[in-house]
Amino acid sequence: QVQLVQSGAEVKKPGSSVKVSCKASGGTFDNYTVNWVRQAPGQGLEWVGGIIPGFHTANYAQRFKDRVTITADKSTSTAYMELNSLRSDDTAVYYCARDTWEKIGGGGHYFYYGMDVWGQGTTVTVSS
Amino acid sequence: EIVLTQSPATLSLSPGQRATLSCRASQSVSTYLAWYQQKPGQAPSLLISDASNRATGVPARFSGSGSGTDFTLTISSLEPEDFAVYYCQQRSSALTFGGGTKVEIK
Repeated sequence: QVQLVQSGAEVKKPGSSVKVSCKASGGTFDNYTVNWVRQAPGQGLEWVGGIIPGFHTANYAQRFKDRVTITADKSTSTAYMELNSLRSDDTAVYYCARDTWEKIGGGGHYFYYGMDVWGQGTTVTVSS
Repeated sequence: EIVLTQSPATLSLSPGQRATLSCRASQSVSTYLAWYQQKPGQAPSLLISDASNRATGVPARFSGSGSGTDFTLTISSLEPEDFAVYYCQQRSSALTFGGGTKVEIK
């Protein structure tokens, strides 16, 4: 059973950058999108962006697109999220999670499998 | 951006009672919707995929229904371990989450 193992907690200064990693253990990212989701203290879940490692194609939530870069290294089954120009409100737990779809039948419908495997989370604290 | 609105924000119930959670999308997401449970200090856990399919290992008391813009997660009889926060999430256009429903012990 694949597990997603994330890098450790980070403490950063405002204006700096952070890079978090997510490694697939016991499997690969083949046929999956790797998403990054964050959760500020006491708040809900927020999608940051995702990447299809096999195609190196990343998509970002509009509010992060100017500050975030998501990459993947298929050879090591590792995805990365780099967030720049950090602010105090970027303080959050950052999760990676995989999801996928499968085409069903001959029509245009897909079955969405949801984010079935999550990393353990990486706490990023932004403080002066 | 597709907005998901969950209601109620908090549901106060007793063990054994039925819980009905709602998720409404600002535009159709077909059935590209999932539900998650999150307990304090833990990552979210997948409950329902493609609107109505229980994920592997999820108890039968959890069920999902709906398509288009209106979705429901039902817990038929609450167990003590079900008191948690529940999120819906769509994958029709990019990816967004609802604000969550907290199911608390009355």
